[in-house]
Amino acid sequence: AAGVIQSPRHLIKEKRETATLKCYPIPRHDTVYWYQQGPGQDPQFLISFYEKMQSDKGSIPDRFSAQQFSDYHSELNMSSLELGDSALYFCASSSGSTGGNSPLHFGNGTRLTVT
Amino acid sequence: GQNIDQPTEMTATEGAIVQINCTYQTSGFNGLFWYQQHAGEAPTFLSYNVLDGLEEKGRFSSFLSRSKGYSYLLLKELQMKDSASYLCAVSYYGNNRLAFGKGNQVVVIP
Repeated sequence: AAGVIQSPRHLIKEKRETATLKCYPIPRHDTVYWYQQGPGQDPQFLISFYEKMQSDKGSIPDRFSAQQFSDYHSELNMSSLELGDSALYFCASSSGSTGGNSPLHFGNGTRLTVT
Repeated sequence: GQNIDQPTEMTATEGAIVQINCTYQTSGFNGLFWYQQHAGEAPTFLSYNVLDGLEEKGRFSSFLSRSKGYSYLLLKELQMKDSASYLCAVSYYGNNRLAFGKGNQVVVIP
């Protein structure tokens, strides 16, 4: 079965640079979520989109922005990168919102290292 | 956050049974999910509870008490591949996210 595809798998950037992470949800999933996970930490919710509209916003820095496109893929844009942004970034998708019983299916993540 | 609490680490032997607990803030509760996460990998969905009681899925069972804001995940007949972090995640009315607890690391030894 098709899973959530994230690219790139690994990314190394310097401070103050920008990065773009991409996510392709499971076909026919209409909701996309972005999470950040630091070492030994729980996944922290950043932002979600339902049918291409932002549906919830968490602890996403103002330096980050995201959107969901007409083909339902999503991109997380990160600017003015800081050392503390180094983390695993997961994208997840679901059919419908978390208000139903639809579990989130996670991609394999992008490991971002900021030097 | 939603004050989702989980203990941190436990060690158990192959074939044993392990129970992992999770407490959460009850106001606005809309459902609870359990995930398994191996180090550096994606969380994978294990189970979902929205009503009180026990949900059984093979070697894994999950229990929910909505009035107590409490859930547990029971892992039976432990196998080495069960060594992982187990995360509970809660959905609340009014938002479109899962709020994760810090996870409980289970180490299975021979």
